[in-house]
Amino acid sequence: AQSVSQHNHHVILSEAASLELGCNYSYGGTVNLFWYVQYPGQHLQLLLKYFSGDPLVKGIKGFEAEFIKSKFSFNLRKPSVQWSDTAEYFCAVLVGSYIPTFGRGTSLIVHP
Amino acid sequence: EAGVAQSPRYKIIEKRQSVAFWCNPISGHATLYWYQQILGQGPKLLIQFQNNGVVDDSQLPKDRFSAERLKGVDSTLKIQPAKLEDSAVYLCASSFGPSGRGANVLTFGAGSRLTVL
Repeated sequence: AQSVSQHNHHVILSEAASLELGCNYSYGGTVNLFWYVQYPGQHLQLLLKYFSGDPLVKGIKGFEAEFIKSKFSFNLRKPSVQWSDTAEYFCAVLVGSYIPTFGRGTSLIVHP
Repeated sequence: EAGVAQSPRYKIIEKRQSVAFWCNPISGHATLYWYQQILGQGPKLLIQFQNNGVVDDSQLPKDRFSAERLKGVDSTLKIQPAKLEDSAVYLCASSFGPSGRGANVLTFGAGSRLTVL
């Protein structure tokens, strides 16, 4: 079974700082990759996804992620965070027709 | 479009009692998932339905958890009897399924927070 590792469990930044959240997965074949976000008091929602093609994908609110197959990674980035980016971020991996498997999440706090 | 509806939002019970959670997916979504999210952890799949059939329930503790999706629309997740370690948020999600790019994108409900005392 595939597994997903998010190494940063808690991240605290000041506004305008750059963000990179790590995500590594364990499967070596074709994968679908996702980042979901949960803002305080809201539902989990899709931030961005990768199925195929350009390994650099752009999502909502200025977020992007890069799929690096050789490193089994799908790191999330944002060049300049805002206070409103305070949320829980989850990386998820889908292999073939299996169930999307989620990482344990990274809690991001952005100080104004 | 209406989102995934879940109820109740909060439930407090004592151990050994029973509880049921309800989910109504997005109209037209064939695939429905129940996830358990314990505080500080990522969502863990309990069961996946494709229409009214079970696709995967390998992580469902079947001695106490049960789920059904009659008529391929609404779903109910039941816990009986509850244990302290069942305290968690129970998330329902749905997707178009079974194929196509939208098939694997999950739309989540707000979740049902269970506290077992």
